[in-house]
Amino acid sequence: ETGVTQTPRHLVMGMTNKKSLKCEQHLGHNAMYWYKQSAKKPLELMFVYNFKEQTENNSVPSRFSPECPNSSHLFLHLHTLQPEDSALYLCASSPPGGGNNEQYFGPGTRLTVT
Amino acid sequence: QKEVEQDPGPLSVPEGAIVSLNCTYSNSAFQYFMWYRQYSRKGPELLMYTYSSGNKEDGRFTAQVDKSSKYISLFIRDSQPSDSATYLCAGGRGSTLGRLYFGRGTQLTVWP
Repeated sequence: ETGVTQTPRHLVMGMTNKKSLKCEQHLGHNAMYWYKQSAKKPLELMFVYNFKEQTENNSVPSRFSPECPNSSHLFLHLHTLQPEDSALYLCASSPPGGGNNEQYFGPGTRLTVT
Repeated sequence: QKEVEQDPGPLSVPEGAIVSLNCTYSNSAFQYFMWYRQYSRKGPELLMYTYSSGNKEDGRFTAQVDKSSKYISLFIRDSQPSDSATYLCAGGRGSTLGRLYFGRGTQLTVWP
């Protein structure tokens, strides 16, 4: 275990549903990230939070809405998704300072949009 | 041009072989380089981390960075079936926000 947990591990949702993904890190890190991983593609950075403040939104559609209530928890709220949003969604965290770029990943949530 | 290029494979080798995994990158500002291992249905696991040019060894794994040619490598000695996974390379500038740029990953199978 890396110290980063994600729930649920699997999620199937219809295009009109609303659901949320949860990430929690137990490493004392200050930065948290959401990534999308699709087959045959590099990891796509979606959002970055540093000390609860969003520092990067990588042109993500508004149907994805992140929330970071504190440095240990990160949510991704989903609504009116499209089938092409089906992917593995990974959460990561990195230590204070962040200069060394080390990121530690959770196991991911496998999302299927029907 | 993508920030980090990586041949997706697949790569298949017999147990005991030396495996060489490679990536190239385009951003000369990258200072930090990482290799992640990702087993099927799991998240990426940080395997090796190097700063600037040079080699780093950890057991059967050696990470190598050549900044002059913008080339990063991971060598696995005495490969084992348990090494079968997808290996992701990544580079970063070392900014305080810690953004990493990933390759597509190389799928490796080590057969007994």
